Amino acid sequence: GAVVSQHPSRVICKSGTSVKIECRSLDFQATTMFWYRQFPKQSLMLMATSNEGSKATYEQGVEKDKFLINHASLTLSTLTVTSAHPEDSSFYICSARPPRQGYEQYFGPGTRLTVT
Amino acid sequence: AQSVTQLDSQVPVFEEAPVELRCNYSSSVSVYLFWYVQYPNQGLQLLLKYLSGSTLVKGINGFEAEFNKSQTSFHLRKPSVHISDTAEYFCAVSDPGTYKYIFGTGTRLKVLA
Repeated sequence: GAVVSQHPSRVICKSGTSVKIECRSLDFQATTMFWYRQFPKQSLMLMATSNEGSKATYEQGVEKDKFLINHASLTLSTLTVTSAHPEDSSFYICSARPPRQGYEQYFGPGTRLTVT
Repeated sequence: AQSVTQLDSQVPVFEEAPVELRCNYSSSVSVYLFWYVQYPNQGLQLLLKYLSGSTLVKGINGFEAEFNKSQTSFHLRKPSVHISDTAEYFCAVSDPGTYKYIFGTGTRLKVLA
């Protein structure tokens, strides 16, 4: 149980275009999902907290207009990178928190974004 | 504010030797502690977690960790490593109020034949 999927696993896009990444909790409902960014050989940095039915809460320094997060249902959150640039190339990982296990997050397999 | 420190960025060790990966945290409140493993181009896999109770926590793949409140540490150990244990290991602390994770910078374990 507690499986989280991400789609796509890899995506290459041209500079200036937008790309959407989906995060789904497959066998549980997630009231909260988190989006992380990981640069090569570095740790995970929390970008934002996504709560179902409300606006996402962004960490300091993260541009909310550039990284649009939508948590439309209890099993789906999306991250849209708008007007992507090469510096947005990174590994994006989502996680989901079941409501009765508040202390633990379940992680997706990640999405590798390359902006050319 | 909470923080997590993994002092060792890389740890080389020979196959079948024991290994300890160090993790120290700072927090003014009770926290939950986790160790995750990440293989190249993959997400995070939970190795073990400390929520409460026994300070010695056993996880998957033969790993264990000991929570030491006085030293604010949560070091990960394995008595005999395999080549397949080569990966990046992350220590994380969860804020009980916000449920946010704070990750350490990671330790790259390289098991040598």
